[in-house]
Amino acid sequence: SQQGEEDPQALSIQEGENATMNCSYKTSINNLQWYRQNSGRGLVHLILIRSNEREKHSGRLRVTLDTSKKSSSLLITASRAADTASYFCATSDPSGSRLTFGEGTQLTVNP
Amino acid sequence: NAGVTQTPKFQVLKTGQSMTLQCAQDMNHEYMSWYRQDPGMGLRLIHYSVGAGITDQGEVPNGYNVSRSTTEDFPLRLLSAAPSQTSVYFCASSYSWVAEAFFGQGTRLTVV
Repeated sequence: SQQGEEDPQALSIQEGENATMNCSYKTSINNLQWYRQNSGRGLVHLILIRSNEREKHSGRLRVTLDTSKKSSSLLITASRAADTASYFCATSDPSGSRLTFGEGTQLTVNP
Repeated sequence: NAGVTQTPKFQVLKTGQSMTLQCAQDMNHEYMSWYRQDPGMGLRLIHYSVGAGITDQGEVPNGYNVSRSTTEDFPLRLLSAAPSQTSVYFCASSYSWVAEAFFGQGTRLTVV
């Protein structure tokens, strides 16, 4: 079964608005990562947050992690049409040697 | 720097045929993995390898074999293709399973 579950499954916003996606997971983690996938392409790494970190920024991206609630959020500020893609969270667990992905959020940014 | 290269990009197989999906990386990464992506199901781990000569099963290994004779290559073999294996297959590599993963562009496989 999938470790991570993203919410919402789909999100449609206007250019310039902020987009927030959430990820929940079930077991303890080493870190949590976010990836983007443009239609028909491979996944591209966006940001990694370790289990002992609570917040991380990269450009227009802001990621938070709450290990007590086993959840993370990805905020994209001032969205652009080029941000239209699917976004996935992935978790690495301390014991399993695996990187496990959620089902993704489809973000559409309308110009 | 090519990164992770997957071949072929598209393939159509008949039920019962076998084939090998190729994956090569030039970043000297120890960790490599294969995922399949089906609509609405995200990416599911098929097999992974933590180094040459070492492989292990992921979430959905049945019907697939892997080997890792070199650091660079991690081929995925479909033993006897079934329609349920119609999917998009992604190979990924990373320094370790806790590090950023680099993905290939995918192989779109259809089994008829």
